[in-house]
Amino acid sequence: EAGVVQSPRYKIIEKKQPVAFWCNPISGHNTLYWYLQNLGQGPELLIRYENEEAVDDSQLPKDRFSAERLKGVDSTLKIQPAELGDSAVYLCASSLGSGADTQYFGPGTRLTVL
Amino acid sequence: DAKTTQPTSMDCAEGRAANLPCNHSTISGNEYVYWYRQIHSQGPQYIIHGLKNNETNEMASLIITEDRKSSTLILPHATLRDTAVYYCIVRVGGTSGSRLTFGEGTQLTVNP
Repeated sequence: EAGVVQSPRYKIIEKKQPVAFWCNPISGHNTLYWYLQNLGQGPELLIRYENEEAVDDSQLPKDRFSAERLKGVDSTLKIQPAELGDSAVYLCASSLGSGADTQYFGPGTRLTVL
Repeated sequence: DAKTTQPTSMDCAEGRAANLPCNHSTISGNEYVYWYRQIHSQGPQYIIHGLKNNETNEMASLIITEDRKSSTLILPHATLRDTAVYYCIVRVGGTSGSRLTFGEGTQLTVNP
């Protein structure tokens, strides 16, 4: 069974440019998460989706970050415009969404903003 | 979710058991203990979780003290591929899709 798929794996952009990351969760997983991981730190949740509904986006900087999960499957996270401080790894995870469920992570997208 | 405390780093010889401790003295009765690890340049990988009983799977064993204020993850025969950052997380159970709150974890280095 395929795991969580993310693309691209690496992205280098100049500041003020837009950027988008894509995530395809494990088949059948209703819950999808986007996490941000700064160098040397653990991941931090940005947003959580239950099917197509964003149910926890309290940590998402809404002035420049946006996300969508059309049809409750794939998801896209966008930054516009990017700032130097956005350089980090952006991780996507998914889970079945029931009980004390386990989250499965993708490999992440490493973003470098110059 | 309860805060956890882990050593910053640990070393282990290849083939020996690696015992990674975690303190969670403020854990609540409905909070589970989860362990994830993150190998360099990869996403976190689920290892094991438990509530109050000891648990074992193909990857590791989890020993939780009777008062639930601390736990130990045991890798019985560590290999070089087990070198990673290990995260101990406590999280409310029965909550669909609740967030994982990661700390800084323990950097385990397995030496040949």
